[in-house]
Amino acid sequence: NAGVTQTPKFQVLKTGQSMTLQCAQDMNHNSMYWYRQDPGMGLRLIYYSASEGTTDKGEVPNGYNVSRLNKREFSLRLESAAPSQTSVYFCASRAGSAGELFFGEGSRLTVL
Amino acid sequence: GQQVMQIPQYQHVQEGEDFTTYCNSSTTLSNIQWYKQRPGGHPVFLIQLVKSGEVKKQKRLTFQFGEAKKNSSLHITATQTTDVGTYFCADPYTGGFKTIFGAGTRLFVKA
Repeated sequence: NAGVTQTPKFQVLKTGQSMTLQCAQDMNHNSMYWYRQDPGMGLRLIYYSASEGTTDKGEVPNGYNVSRLNKREFSLRLESAAPSQTSVYFCASRAGSAGELFFGEGSRLTVL
Repeated sequence: GQQVMQIPQYQHVQEGEDFTTYCNSSTTLSNIQWYKQRPGGHPVFLIQLVKSGEVKKQKRLTFQFGEAKKNSSLHITATQTTDVGTYFCADPYTGGFKTIFGAGTRLFVKA
């Protein structure tokens, strides 16, 4: 089982460039999430999607957009990257509104 | 807003010593979850506690949920080098679909 797959695993951007992080899950989960992880800050929720066709802001949504393309896929877009967005990004999914979160392996993004 | 505070931020122990991390919320939690993240890895679910005063064990790990459902703890007995990593508590339900994580406690184990 692949579980939650994120691409790319590593990316270096220049300030102002745009990019999209892709996430796909094969567990037929309804809910999907994007978190960022910075040293000492834990995991902070950027956006989430409770079900196909819906998205909502989390704790730190500024500078990001998301698309729930279908039940499997949830992408995160940085329209104009800033050095403050240097972080490790994790996608996660789960079956319903509560319960175990399954995480992808993470995408390490550096913005110069 | 929805928030969980976790202490300590770091803990250094000698192999064989015990370790405890604490999680506190200003509001009553519906449930609480614990995750472990190995260095360079991704968070992995350990357990979910639901009932007031609940205590669950997984080998050397003991998880407790406070009577008022506002705090929780994870205790590791006789740490091993394989316990190294960051332990997070998380509130999976109070805000609906949001799961909010504590800042984590990073455990270092010296052999």
